[in-house]
Amino acid sequence: DAEITQSPRHKITETGRQVTLACHQTWNHNNMFWYRQDLGHGLRLIHYSYGVQDTNKGEVSDGYSVSRSNTEDLPLTLESAASSQTSVYFCASRRDMNSGNTIYFGEGSWLTVV
Amino acid sequence: AQSVTQPDIHITVSEGASLELRCNYSYGATPYLFWYVQSPGQGLQLLLKYFSGDTLVQGIKGFEAEFKRSQSSFNLRKPSVHWSDAAEYFCAVNNNAGNMLTFGGGTRLMVKP
Repeated sequence: DAEITQSPRHKITETGRQVTLACHQTWNHNNMFWYRQDLGHGLRLIHYSYGVQDTNKGEVSDGYSVSRSNTEDLPLTLESAASSQTSVYFCASRRDMNSGNTIYFGEGSWLTVV
Repeated sequence: AQSVTQPDIHITVSEGASLELRCNYSYGATPYLFWYVQSPGQGLQLLLKYFSGDTLVQGIKGFEAEFKRSQSSFNLRKPSVHWSDAAEYFCAVNNNAGNMLTFGGGTRLMVKP
């Protein structure tokens, strides 16, 4: 079955280190998204991509970057991890920009910055 | 800017009782509205969505939601709650350009035996 997978599922890192969270989907979806989930804030959009070589900033993009070199993958990089970036990160994908299309989520990556 | 408000952070209901989770949105045009459920340690699963047509939409697991434009609401309902419905529920709105899915803060549902 087609799916969306995230790795690692859990990670502890030190302040100042670079961290990359991987996201891979096998649906051949054009749109991919990264969200972070924090208590009281729901899910907030970090970055998104409409297709290969396209990336866009979301609501909370500072300190994060993404790249889209192929359809299947959208890795999220924290250039210099900060304690404020301790969160649960969700990758998501959608077939295309039709707003009615369902967005499918991965199972999340729990990141702790110490 | 669009926004979504879920007024209830926590709700506890008895198994077999009816359920209504509230969702209010702010968006200038006709919104695309979604309800997602998140079980502990899991990702989000789509329950139902609305973007046109009948304002009462049916979803999976016996859930339904009603779009009320005059009240800017999209409340989620279930006539009889099961213990397995205990989870966190998120309402979301998508703008017409498709590039911004905005989530509410979530409502955590607990089910008493």
